[in-house]
Amino acid sequence: EVQLVESGGGLVQPGGSLRLSCAASGFTLSSYWMHWVRQAPGKGLVWVSRINSDGSYTTYADSVRGRFTISRDNAKNTVYLQMNSLRAEDTALYYCAGGGSGTPSYWGQGALVTVSS
Amino acid sequence: EIVLTQSPGTLSLSPGEGATLSCRASQSVSNNYLAWYQQKPGQAPRLLIHGVSNRATGIPDRFSGSGSGTDFTLTISRLEPEDFAVYYCQQYGTSLLTFGQGTKVEV
Repeated sequence: EVQLVESGGGLVQPGGSLRLSCAASGFTLSSYWMHWVRQAPGKGLVWVSRINSDGSYTTYADSVRGRFTISRDNAKNTVYLQMNSLRAEDTALYYCAGGGSGTPSYWGQGALVTVSS
Repeated sequence: EIVLTQSPGTLSLSPGEGATLSCRASQSVSNNYLAWYQQKPGQAPRLLIHGVSNRATGIPDRFSGSGSGTDFTLTISRLEPEDFAVYYCQQYGTSLLTFGQGTKVEV
């Protein structure tokens, strides 16, 4: 059974940093593109970032470019999202998702990030 | 960035009825790279359709997608109780992926 499990969420002050991790099981991470998608409370889905299977290509939404960094360690079957200079508007449930370059078909249950003083 | 606008915002229907959801793009979606996702409360999204009309693995054939260019449609032929959820379209024809704001299908 495919499982993606996010961790690393929590409460952080504006301007602070967090690193999210996404551990995969039953799923060979190295074969797939990986994405981060977020959802603010009661709101819709917003794509954040993606990384190709070997980590050589990444793209970011305009709202996070320059502040967030996606990376992966295929040997550890894990993807990361380093989030710096966090703002209140970054408060959301962050989903890790994997699959195609544009259509992730495997999703985790999300990690909650709250940015507040 | 391609902006996707979904309509209606909410669709009130009964089980057994058909549903038609619309997604309009601010510019043409290249290669028809348009997908649809379903999300139920407290759950992660589930991929339904990719490439406009291709059902993902395990998706029942009452779900179908159509369209091209800037106008796309998700049709649910006969609503089952488990189909009441929020549906999002998503384009992946550019380096920046975008989602629509969602259509809620409610009883």
